[in-house]
Amino acid sequence: DAKTTQPPSMDCAEGRAANLPCNHSTISGNEYVYWYRQIHSQGPQYIIHGLKNNETNEMASLIITEDRKSSTLILPHATLRDTAVYYCIDPKLNTGNQFYFGTGTSLTVIP
Amino acid sequence: NAGVTQTPKFRILKIGQSMTLQCAQDMNHNYMYWYRQDPGMGLKLIYYSVGAGITDKGEVPNGYNVSRSTTEDFPLRLELAAPSQTSVYFCASSGGRTGANVLTFGAGSRLTVL
Repeated sequence: DAKTTQPPSMDCAEGRAANLPCNHSTISGNEYVYWYRQIHSQGPQYIIHGLKNNETNEMASLIITEDRKSSTLILPHATLRDTAVYYCIDPKLNTGNQFYFGTGTSLTVIP
Repeated sequence: NAGVTQTPKFRILKIGQSMTLQCAQDMNHNYMYWYRQDPGMGLKLIYYSVGAGITDKGEVPNGYNVSRSTTEDFPLRLELAAPSQTSVYFCASSGGRTGANVLTFGAGSRLTVL
């Protein structure tokens, strides 16, 4: 199985940057890293993905280390609506694009 | 586009009953997935499909069956429901092409087995 390691919980002050780390030491050279989040009991929502280079979109930035063994999701100005569980996913392409979700990081944005 | 549609949203079953959770996507995605999520836990992959007529087991397939007769539909069948199958079920789909493969999730189906 694809294994990722994330801290179980984090707090962040509203308006500050939230930096969520993930270790994906088993990632292969051609596999993307994906980040999703789940608010309350809704279906997970895609945030961002990356292969080697750092990526940015309207939701977040993704910093990937040079050896690709870890990454950090950055929410530049966290709001209360960013309170959610954040999942880092490392799919195994050679097993049919299976996506295994761990327990993620529960981020609480504090007013 | 409706995206991924799951029905029903809520269902209560008695032990031993059977039912089918429906999942449909209108994005012409090749890959479809079923996950379950127990309270306070992450998502567990039950079954997935890489195209019509092709399905395979995920992490927790026992007690479930799937079929994929069309690209659009991926129903999940529960036979002989047990209390351990009380969970929220999410269906997802993705393009399945080479390169990045983003999952689109449905809103979920909450199942209680009593």
